[in-house]
Amino acid sequence: EVQVIQSGAEVKKPGATVKISCQVSGYTFTDHYMHWVKQAPGKGLEWVGLVDPEDGETRYARRIKDRITITADTSTDTAYMELRGLRPDDTAVYYCAGEFEFWGQGTLVTVSS
Amino acid sequence: DVVMTQSPLSLPVSLGQPASISCRSSQSLAYRDGNTFLNWFHQRPGQSPRRLIYKVSNRDPGVPDRFSGSGSGTNFTLKISRVEAEDVGVYYCMQGTHWPPWTFGQGTKVEIK
Repeated sequence: EVQVIQSGAEVKKPGATVKISCQVSGYTFTDHYMHWVKQAPGKGLEWVGLVDPEDGETRYARRIKDRITITADTSTDTAYMELRGLRPDDTAVYYCAGEFEFWGQGTLVTVSS
Repeated sequence: DVVMTQSPLSLPVSLGQPASISCRSSQSLAYRDGNTFLNWFHQRPGQSPRRLIYKVSNRDPGVPDRFSGSGSGTNFTLKISRVEAEDVGVYYCMQGTHWPPWTFGQGTKVEIK
């Protein structure tokens, strides 16, 4: 059975950094890109970036590329998304999704002073 | 970036009746290898998205056969042959041909009349 487990909700102040984890089991971690998708409250889905766990290559959405780092640790089958310089409009649920087929449960990040 | 436009944005349907959602892309999604990377997702309230259809018309494992996808080029359709109560939620199309970024439609909310 495939499982994709994300870390818990975070509350951060503006300007802070958050790092979310996403651990997979039940499929070969290096076989699939790991995407990260943002969903602001009451809004649709927005792709923010990906990592290829096989070689660590990353791609990011243009509007966020200066503040985001996505990594993959093949020793623990875990992907990470770090977002720096948090702003109130970063408040959202962030999902990791293996090849868009295997989704985590989402992590709520709240940015508020 | 490729813009994905869905219609309608809201779709009230009676149980047992068919439903159809349209998705148009701002440029052709046909890739040079012959594939067309158009996916459909379903998101129930409070849940993670779930992929239903990949590459226009291929159902993911466990997806009921009342769901079907069709289309080519810039015009795509998701059809539900007979809507059931569990089908409520928001449906998103997403293109993966011209990346980055992967881009989603605005979402279509399906509800029971």
